[in-house]
Amino acid sequence: DVKVTQSSRYLVKRTGEKVFLECVQDMDHENMFWYRQDPGLGLRLIYFSYDVKMKEKGDIPEGYSVSREKKERFSLILESASTNQTSMYLCASSSAGGRVGEQYFGPGTRLTVT
Amino acid sequence: TQLLEQSPQFLSIQEGENLTVYCNSSSVFSSLQWYRQEPGEGPVLLVTVVTGGEVKKLKRLTFQFGDARKDSSLHITAAQPGDTGLYLCAGAKSGGGADGLTFGKGTHLIIQP
Repeated sequence: DVKVTQSSRYLVKRTGEKVFLECVQDMDHENMFWYRQDPGLGLRLIYFSYDVKMKEKGDIPEGYSVSREKKERFSLILESASTNQTSMYLCASSSAGGRVGEQYFGPGTRLTVT
Repeated sequence: TQLLEQSPQFLSIQEGENLTVYCNSSSVFSSLQWYRQEPGEGPVLLVTVVTGGEVKKLKRLTFQFGDARKDSSLHITAAQPGDTGLYLCAGAKSGGGADGLTFGKGTHLIIQP
Protein backbone atom coordinates (compact mmCIF):
# COMPACT_ATOMS: atom_id res chain seq x y z
CA ASP A 1 0.00 0.00 0.00
CA VAL A 2 1.35 3.37 -0.99
CA LYS A 3 2.39 5.64 1.79
CA VAL A 4 3.33 9.29 2.12
CA THR A 5 4.06 10.42 5.64
CA GLN A 6 4.56 13.91 7.03
CA SER A 7 6.54 14.61 10.16
CA SER A 8 3.82 16.46 12.07
CA ARG A 9 0.04 16.67 11.86
CA TYR A 10 -0.11 19.91 13.83
CA LEU A 11 2.55 22.51 14.42
CA VAL A 12 2.53 25.86 16.20
CA LYS A 13 5.45 28.23 15.62
CA ARG A 14 6.24 31.83 16.41
CA THR A 15 6.82 34.57 13.86
CA GLY A 16 10.44 34.61 12.71
CA GLU A 17 11.18 30.99 13.56
CA LYS A 18 12.73 28.66 11.02
CA VAL A 19 10.36 25.80 10.31
CA PHE A 20 11.09 22.40 8.77
CA LEU A 21 8.34 20.21 7.34
CA GLU A 22 9.43 16.71 6.39
CA CYS A 23 7.85 14.34 3.92
CA VAL A 24 8.77 10.74 3.22
CA GLN A 25 7.36 8.38 0.58
CA ASP A 26 7.95 4.65 0.30
CA MET A 27 6.88 4.16 -3.32
CA ASP A 28 10.21 4.95 -5.00
CA HIS A 29 8.55 7.87 -6.77
CA GLU A 30 10.69 10.31 -8.71
CA ASN A 31 8.40 13.33 -8.35
CA MET A 32 7.57 15.02 -5.07
CA PHE A 33 5.51 18.13 -4.39
CA TRP A 34 4.66 20.60 -1.68
CA TYR A 35 1.29 22.38 -1.71
CA ARG A 36 -0.50 24.66 0.66
CA GLN A 37 -4.27 24.57 0.98
CA ASP A 38 -6.29 27.55 2.13
CA PRO A 39 -10.06 28.08 2.26
CA GLY A 40 -11.32 29.66 -0.92
CA LEU A 41 -7.94 29.36 -2.64
CA GLY A 42 -7.67 25.61 -3.11
CA LEU A 43 -4.35 23.81 -3.49
CA ARG A 44 -1.42 25.92 -4.59
CA LEU A 45 1.91 24.45 -5.65
CA ILE A 46 4.90 25.78 -3.71
CA TYR A 47 7.80 23.68 -5.00
CA PHE A 48 8.32 20.35 -6.67
CA SER A 49 11.21 18.04 -7.45
CA TYR A 50 11.82 15.65 -10.34
CA ASP A 51 14.84 13.96 -8.84
CA VAL A 52 17.31 14.01 -6.00
CA LYS A 53 18.89 17.44 -5.57
CA MET A 54 16.55 18.87 -8.22
CA LYS A 55 13.95 21.49 -7.38
CA GLU A 56 11.59 23.69 -9.33
CA LYS A 57 9.50 26.65 -8.22
CA GLY A 58 5.77 26.29 -8.28
CA ASP A 59 3.19 29.05 -8.23
CA ILE A 60 3.97 30.52 -4.79
CA PRO A 61 7.61 29.84 -3.81
CA GLU A 62 8.24 33.14 -2.00
CA GLY A 63 9.20 32.66 1.62
CA TYR A 64 9.90 28.94 1.17
CA SER A 65 12.79 26.72 0.20
CA VAL A 66 13.11 22.97 -0.24
CA SER A 67 15.67 20.22 0.04
CA ARG A 68 15.81 16.80 -1.57
CA GLU A 69 18.93 14.95 -0.51
CA LYS A 70 17.41 11.48 -0.83
CA LYS A 71 14.85 10.15 -3.27
CA GLU A 72 12.31 9.31 -0.62
CA ARG A 73 12.51 12.55 1.36
CA PHE A 74 11.43 16.08 0.45
CA SER A 75 11.67 18.87 3.00
CA LEU A 76 9.94 22.24 3.00
CA ILE A 77 11.65 25.04 4.88
CA LEU A 78 10.13 28.30 6.03
CA GLU A 79 13.20 30.45 6.56
CA SER A 80 11.42 33.00 8.78
CA ALA A 81 7.84 32.05 9.49
CA SER A 82 5.17 34.71 9.15
CA THR A 83 1.51 34.71 10.12
CA ASN A 84 0.44 34.60 6.45
CA GLN A 85 2.09 31.20 6.23
CA THR A 86 -0.48 29.73 8.58
CA SER A 87 -2.01 27.02 6.42
CA MET A 88 -2.46 23.33 5.72
CA TYR A 89 0.65 21.96 4.02
CA LEU A 90 0.33 18.88 1.85
CA CYS A 91 3.12 16.76 0.44
CA ALA A 92 2.53 14.51 -2.57
CA SER A 93 4.48 12.15 -4.78
CA SER A 94 4.01 10.63 -8.21
CA SER A 95 5.82 8.26 -10.51
CA ALA A 96 7.72 9.70 -13.47
CA GLY A 97 6.29 6.84 -15.53
CA GLY A 98 2.72 7.52 -14.52
CA ARG A 99 0.30 10.34 -15.19
CA VAL A 100 1.36 13.61 -13.63
CA GLY A 101 -2.09 14.08 -12.13
CA GLU A 102 -2.03 10.80 -10.26
CA GLN A 103 -0.48 12.00 -7.07
CA TYR A 104 -0.41 10.39 -3.66
CA PHE A 105 -0.82 12.78 -0.78
CA GLY A 106 0.30 12.70 2.80
CA PRO A 107 -2.12 13.49 5.65
CA GLY A 108 -1.04 17.12 5.80
CA THR A 109 0.52 19.38 8.42
CA ARG A 110 -1.64 22.12 9.84
CA LEU A 111 0.79 24.92 10.66
CA THR A 112 -0.16 27.87 12.82
CA VAL A 113 2.24 30.81 13.05
CA THR A 114 1.53 33.17 15.94
CA THR B 1 -2.54 29.52 -15.41
CA GLN B 2 -5.41 27.37 -16.55
CA LEU B 3 -8.54 27.50 -14.47
CA LEU B 4 -10.72 24.63 -13.41
CA GLU B 5 -14.07 25.81 -12.13
CA GLN B 6 -15.95 23.47 -9.85
CA SER B 7 -19.64 23.76 -9.09
CA PRO B 8 -21.37 23.86 -6.81
CA GLN B 9 -18.94 25.03 -4.14
CA PHE B 10 -21.13 23.65 -1.37
CA LEU B 11 -23.84 21.00 -1.41
CA SER B 12 -25.80 19.57 1.49
CA ILE B 13 -28.35 16.86 0.74
CA GLN B 14 -30.19 14.06 2.47
CA GLU B 15 -29.02 10.45 2.47
CA GLY B 16 -30.42 8.57 -0.52
CA GLU B 17 -30.55 11.52 -2.90
CA ASN B 18 -28.61 11.76 -6.15
CA LEU B 19 -26.21 14.58 -7.01
CA THR B 20 -23.85 15.79 -9.70
CA VAL B 21 -20.81 18.02 -9.36
CA TYR B 22 -19.09 19.67 -12.28
CA CYS B 23 -15.56 20.58 -13.26
CA ASN B 24 -15.26 22.98 -16.20
CA SER B 25 -12.47 24.67 -18.10
CA SER B 26 -11.81 26.44 -21.38
CA SER B 27 -8.58 24.42 -21.72
CA VAL B 28 -8.04 20.92 -23.04
CA PHE B 29 -6.52 18.40 -20.66
CA SER B 30 -4.69 15.18 -21.46
CA SER B 31 -6.13 13.60 -18.35
CA LEU B 32 -8.33 14.58 -15.45
CA GLN B 33 -8.35 13.23 -11.93
CA TRP B 34 -10.94 13.30 -9.17
CA TYR B 35 -9.90 13.25 -5.53
CA ARG B 36 -11.84 13.09 -2.25
CA GLN B 37 -10.48 14.76 0.86
CA GLU B 38 -11.86 14.17 4.34
CA PRO B 39 -11.41 16.80 7.09
CA GLY B 40 -7.87 16.85 8.45
CA GLU B 41 -6.57 14.43 5.83
CA GLY B 42 -4.86 14.64 2.45
CA PRO B 43 -6.71 14.12 -0.84
CA VAL B 44 -7.15 10.53 -2.00
CA LEU B 45 -7.19 9.73 -5.71
CA LEU B 46 -10.53 8.28 -6.86
CA VAL B 47 -10.21 8.01 -10.63
CA THR B 48 -8.41 9.17 -13.77
CA VAL B 49 -10.21 9.82 -17.07
CA VAL B 50 -8.22 10.15 -20.25
CA THR B 51 -10.37 9.73 -23.35
CA GLY B 52 -13.00 12.25 -24.45
CA GLY B 53 -16.45 10.87 -23.61
CA GLU B 54 -15.01 8.30 -21.22
CA VAL B 55 -17.24 7.10 -18.40
CA LYS B 56 -15.89 5.33 -15.33
CA LYS B 57 -17.84 3.87 -12.44
CA LEU B 58 -16.69 3.35 -8.89
CA LYS B 59 -19.58 1.72 -7.01
CA ARG B 60 -22.19 4.51 -6.72
CA LEU B 61 -19.91 7.14 -8.26
CA THR B 62 -19.94 7.77 -12.01
CA PHE B 63 -17.26 9.95 -13.60
CA GLN B 64 -17.48 11.35 -17.11
CA PHE B 65 -14.93 13.20 -19.20
CA GLY B 66 -16.34 15.63 -21.73
CA ASP B 67 -16.01 14.85 -25.44
CA ALA B 68 -13.65 17.80 -25.90
CA ARG B 69 -11.66 16.91 -22.75
CA LYS B 70 -12.37 20.33 -21.23
CA ASP B 71 -14.84 19.31 -18.55
CA SER B 72 -15.89 16.47 -16.31
CA SER B 73 -18.70 15.49 -14.00
CA LEU B 74 -19.09 13.30 -10.95
CA HIS B 75 -22.50 11.78 -10.28
CA ILE B 76 -23.30 10.07 -7.01
CA THR B 77 -26.32 7.80 -6.80
CA ALA B 78 -28.10 7.25 -3.49
CA ALA B 79 -25.61 9.31 -1.51
CA GLN B 80 -24.47 7.99 1.85
CA PRO B 81 -23.06 9.89 4.88
CA GLY B 82 -19.71 8.25 4.09
CA ASP B 83 -19.62 10.22 0.83
CA THR B 84 -19.22 13.43 2.82
CA GLY B 85 -16.02 15.28 1.96
CA LEU B 86 -14.30 17.75 -0.32
CA TYR B 87 -14.23 16.60 -3.95
CA LEU B 88 -11.39 18.00 -6.04
CA CYS B 89 -10.80 17.74 -9.75
CA ALA B 90 -7.34 18.17 -11.25
CA GLY B 91 -6.40 18.51 -14.90
CA ALA B 92 -3.05 17.80 -16.53
CA LYS B 93 -2.13 19.54 -19.76
CA SER B 94 -0.70 17.58 -22.64
CA GLY B 95 3.06 17.31 -22.55
CA GLY B 96 3.17 19.22 -19.34
CA GLY B 97 5.51 18.45 -16.52
CA ALA B 98 4.76 18.19 -12.88
CA ASP B 99 3.85 21.84 -12.77
CA GLY B 100 1.24 21.36 -15.45
CA LEU B 101 -1.40 20.17 -13.03
CA THR B 102 -4.30 22.46 -12.22
CA PHE B 103 -6.59 21.84 -9.25
CA GLY B 104 -10.13 23.09 -8.92
CA LYS B 105 -11.10 24.69 -5.60
CA GLY B 106 -13.35 21.80 -4.73
CA THR B 107 -16.95 20.97 -3.90
CA HIS B 108 -17.79 20.58 -0.22
CA LEU B 109 -20.35 17.79 0.01
CA ILE B 110 -22.34 16.98 3.14
CA ILE B 111 -24.68 14.01 3.21
CA GLN B 112 -27.08 14.22 6.12
CA PRO B 113 -28.45 11.00 7.62
